[in-house]
Amino acid sequence: DAGITQSPRHKVTETGTPVTLRCHQTENHRYMYWYRQDPGHGLRLIHYSYGVKDTDKGEVSDGYSVSRSKTEDFLLTLESATSSQTSVYFCAISALTDYGYTFGSGTRLTVV
Amino acid sequence: GDSVTQMEGPVTLSEEAFLTINCTYTATGYPSLFWYVQYPGEGLQLLLKATKADDKGSNKGFEATYRKETTSFHLEKGSVQVSDSAVYFCALSYAGNNRKLIWGLGTSLAVNP
Repeated sequence: DAGITQSPRHKVTETGTPVTLRCHQTENHRYMYWYRQDPGHGLRLIHYSYGVKDTDKGEVSDGYSVSRSKTEDFLLTLESATSSQTSVYFCAISALTDYGYTFGSGTRLTVV
Repeated sequence: GDSVTQMEGPVTLSEEAFLTINCTYTATGYPSLFWYVQYPGEGLQLLLKATKADDKGSNKGFEATYRKETTSFHLEKGSVQVSDSAVYFCALSYAGNNRKLIWGLGTSLAVNP
């Protein structure tokens, strides 16, 4: 019942390199979100989108940018990866008529 | 500001024990309340929700009641199974806030056979 897929599932990258994570949905939901999950911090919102080309910052947006050129795709870019961005990244979607989220399976990113 | 507080884990129970995970919130308005579950190595899944005071959400034997007077949304299950071992997250959301969820830090549950 995917409806939402994240790619890649795992990535190892070097400090200073740009990295793009992709979130793809087939549900035609309006809202899309990027979170990072770290031990002791729970889920922290990085950026979110409330429509095509409509995005806004979350609580931990420094060092990250996003783009949404189509309803189905929401890209998260780490402009210059740092070791502090080693984390598990989750994408989530939400419909206009329902407050619940559907989450992707996550991307485990390691910055070395 | 709005916030969600969950009991700290880990919680360790034997199979068939009764489970309670406490969740309290502070909110300026009338939010919807949620419980999400995360199984090892997976993303979060919506477990149950309640959208107004006194509503009871239920799913898979889990229940939670939206208590406005105590600002609580405690998760309960009468008899846990090993397969319930997971991390449980409480969250709240407002309709007018671009559906952004405010999350608790999560409570890890381990159920032993």
